[in-house]
Amino acid sequence: DIVMTQSPDSLAVSLGERATINCKSSQSVLYSSNNKNYLAWYQQKPGQPPKLLIYWASTRESGVPDRFSGSGSGTDFTLTISSLQAEDVAVYYCQQYYTTPFTFGPGTKVDIK
Amino acid sequence: QVQLQESGPGLVKPSETLSLTCTVSGVSISSYYWSWIRQPPGKGLEWIAYIYYNGNTNHNPSLKSRVTISVDSSKNQFSLKLSSVTAADTAVYYCARHRDGDFGGHFFDYWGQGTLVTVSS
Repeated sequence: DIVMTQSPDSLAVSLGERATINCKSSQSVLYSSNNKNYLAWYQQKPGQPPKLLIYWASTRESGVPDRFSGSGSGTDFTLTISSLQAEDVAVYYCQQYYTTPFTFGPGTKVDIK
Repeated sequence: QVQLQESGPGLVKPSETLSLTCTVSGVSISSYYWSWIRQPPGKGLEWIAYIYYNGNTNHNPSLKSRVTISVDSSKNQFSLKLSSVTAADTAVYYCARHRDGDFGGHFFDYWGQGTLVTVSS
């Protein structure tokens, strides 16, 4: 299985400041034939299902604010919230879909400082 | 719009079989891959299994052979059975759609609200 790790476990950021979440995979999720990274990011608020934010490591889902961005390649990825808003308080998960079993990171909790 | 709704018993006894159904509306089930994903209370997400309308399935080996996933295209539903459950199977169970499984896009763009299944005698 590809093991996904995330750091930090939690972070508190002031409103309007940048939040950065890291995700690392135990093996590369870059498929060389199409140069795509099989990595997605989700946001989960309490009592709600996860919401897709980013796929192919850096493609923003329709309707997701442009303050959310994804970057990275191979085994190291980052989700950045450029200017944290109150509604961004949530747990964020990365997921690899390079191979089955599809696996998720343990989550990073983002809160307001 | 696309909607998914899980249904099934909220309480299952140890050693029995957990059975859930996901009813899909707003899109034909025959056009996509579909998964079950679970989340134990206060914990992270675990992918359980997927199915394609043609019967192609795949499941997480961590669940060994306890998982059965099936599809009923006539009802636009797919189902999960998990046998020999224990307290460790207590979780919120979600059904979800794969965006573009035919081209490797096995990320999840639509989710049900989830249903809590508790395993207890």
